[in-house]
Amino acid sequence: DAKTTQPNSMESNEEEPVHLPCNHSTISGTDYIHWYRQLPSQGPEYVIHGLTSNVNNRMASLAIAEDRKSSTLILHRATLRDAAVYYCIAGYNNNDMRFGAGTRLTVKP
Amino acid sequence: SQTIHQWPATLVQPVGSPLSLECTVEGTSNPNLYWYRQAAGRGLQLLFYSVGIGQISSEVPQNLSASRPQDRQFILSSKKLLLSDSGFYLCAWGRRATNEKLFFGSGTQLSVL
Repeated sequence: DAKTTQPNSMESNEEEPVHLPCNHSTISGTDYIHWYRQLPSQGPEYVIHGLTSNVNNRMASLAIAEDRKSSTLILHRATLRDAAVYYCIAGYNNNDMRFGAGTRLTVKP
Repeated sequence: SQTIHQWPATLVQPVGSPLSLECTVEGTSNPNLYWYRQAAGRGLQLLFYSVGIGQISSEVPQNLSASRPQDRQFILSSKKLLLSDSGFYLCAWGRRATNEKLFFGSGTQLSVL
């Protein structure tokens, strides 16, 4: 599993897009990029994952750099309910899931 | 649909007392099972994972142990708790395949006093 680096915290205004960056410069060719988020006093929940191509789902979009050494989670319109800690993980299967400190996202009304 | 149950939600235990946290999964078979711990304001630390009954892999040496007596049951134990065992304990399951997501329980907040 590759080490990931994320900013400790970020702020956003409600209704605006949020771009959460993640660096994974030692990622291997078979590692997927996963994003989870954790609301206060809850377990993490899956957000999105991808390998090489950009991915979209109902929660977010994942933009993966061409060299795969970085990625960006995009929340298109932040809401107050999106305030959480966001974790970026690079791994091959779910035995590789090592969660770092993540990015604490604050959404201001 | 699959569900994961973890209990109790909160627990206060004295130093030196034993611990048993239980996690069960419904609606799936042969899951991978995981125990994580989260200290206040920190990330998640993987403690144990299991790919089958009786098969336990330990990530961090400590005074905790895990057991998997049944396919969908995962138990975290300690014979004597330490102050440093305080934290938020999370159980999770995942399918045995590449890039499958993890599903987490609601967690147990353990305070050792």
